[in-house]
Amino acid sequence: DIQMTQSPSSLSASVGDRVTITCRASQSISSYLNWYQQKPGKAPKLLIYAASSLQSGVPSRFSGSGSGTEFTLTISSLQPEDFANYYCQQTYRTPWTFGQGTKVEIE
Amino acid sequence: EVQLVQSGAEVKKPGESLKISCKGSGYSFTSFWIGWVRQMPGKGLEWMGIINPGDSDTRYSPSFQGQVTISADKSISTAFLQWSSLKASDTAMYYCALSGTYSAYWGQGTLVTVSS
Repeated sequence: DIQMTQSPSSLSASVGDRVTITCRASQSISSYLNWYQQKPGKAPKLLIYAASSLQSGVPSRFSGSGSGTEFTLTISSLQPEDFANYYCQQTYRTPWTFGQGTKVEIE
Repeated sequence: EVQLVQSGAEVKKPGESLKISCKGSGYSFTSFWIGWVRQMPGKGLEWMGIINPGDSDTRYSPSFQGQVTISADKSISTAFLQWSSLKASDTAMYYCALSGTYSAYWGQGTLVTVSS
């Protein structure tokens, strides 16, 4: 299986902060990397697909970059509604594995 | 409008069997794979497997192979996840999702509680 490792596991930030989450794959996955946001009691929501493509309807403050084994999700100016859990997922090869998640909390 | 609607919450005893469902609408059901994702209480997302409803080709995560069965009935546009003998450790929220190389559409989740 391809292992996905996110860092940090959690972070505290303030409204307006720039936030970066990193996801590393145990082997090259080209650009087959997606980012999801999940709020308590809700299904995950797709933010970024194919490493850097913004899903329709997602605010432009979210961006993704990277290829190969290292990827980042950046929130350019954190908003109150962005406090949530974030997961990366590789879809290069089955099983399509998720990272362990990053919890973004209010500082 | 694309929708995935999952069956309701279940409370079962260890050793019992269970089949939960995910009904797709608003798109061609046989054109997209459907996947299942487990989320244990307070934990992260775990990919379980996917099925192609068109030909029933199924791929499982090794962690779930032999533990669950994924199936689909294209005549009723519904995918299923089933257990033959539940364990307490199967207590979790289970999500279905349209699964191409990314999952833009998700079901609302089915909470399965296994307790004696």
